[in-house]
Amino acid sequence: SAVISQKPSRDICQRGTSLTIQCQVDSQVTMMFWYRQQPGQSLTLIATANQGSEATYESGFVIDKFPISRPNLTFSTLTVSNMSPEDSSIYLCSVDWGQDTQYFGPGTRLTVL
Amino acid sequence: AQSVTQLGSHVSVSEGALVLLRCNYSSSVPPYLFWYVQYPNQGLQLLLKYTSAATLVKGINGFEAEFKKSETSFHLTKPSAHMSDAAEYFCAVSSGGGADGLTFGKGTHLIIQP
Repeated sequence: SAVISQKPSRDICQRGTSLTIQCQVDSQVTMMFWYRQQPGQSLTLIATANQGSEATYESGFVIDKFPISRPNLTFSTLTVSNMSPEDSSIYLCSVDWGQDTQYFGPGTRLTVL
Repeated sequence: AQSVTQLGSHVSVSEGALVLLRCNYSSSVPPYLFWYVQYPNQGLQLLLKYTSAATLVKGINGFEAEFKKSETSFHLTKPSAHMSDAAEYFCAVSSGGGADGLTFGKGTHLIIQP
């Protein structure tokens, strides 16, 4: 299975600021995904990030709020911009590991005050 | 469009009893179905997956699930619950296996009574 790390593991931020979350995989993967898990809720897909192309965003998520970079096949970042308390969530990245399987990172727990 | 419904936000069973977590899906194409487990303050771990092969799928930690197309269900079972099974369980559906984003159900919190 994939070994996926995320930084930071948690953070507390002030409203109006931005936070960039990093996702690192130990092997090259084509597809990476970013999800949001709001408190006590399920996971919602934010966007799909392919290396070498623009991220594809799901309905309700926009690039200005959640810009994503995918500079190579092992790394991606998600920025949460101009944060408000409603952005307090766990943000998880996942990778398509082939064989119809996605593996998830440990998540980044974000609290916005 | 795809969707997943998990019946019961909380399920409580006694240690040693049968675990049954319910999942029904809606998909316009043959689905790929997954069960993930999330332990407190941890990420998601894949329990098992259905990808159009055998309808009875065996996963890790003694869990298994059966795909029933006629009932659009993919219920998760374990014959004998263990205290370590206490966690949040998510059912998810995809139209493209791991290459597509997953649509998750709301999750079921499994409580194990001693």
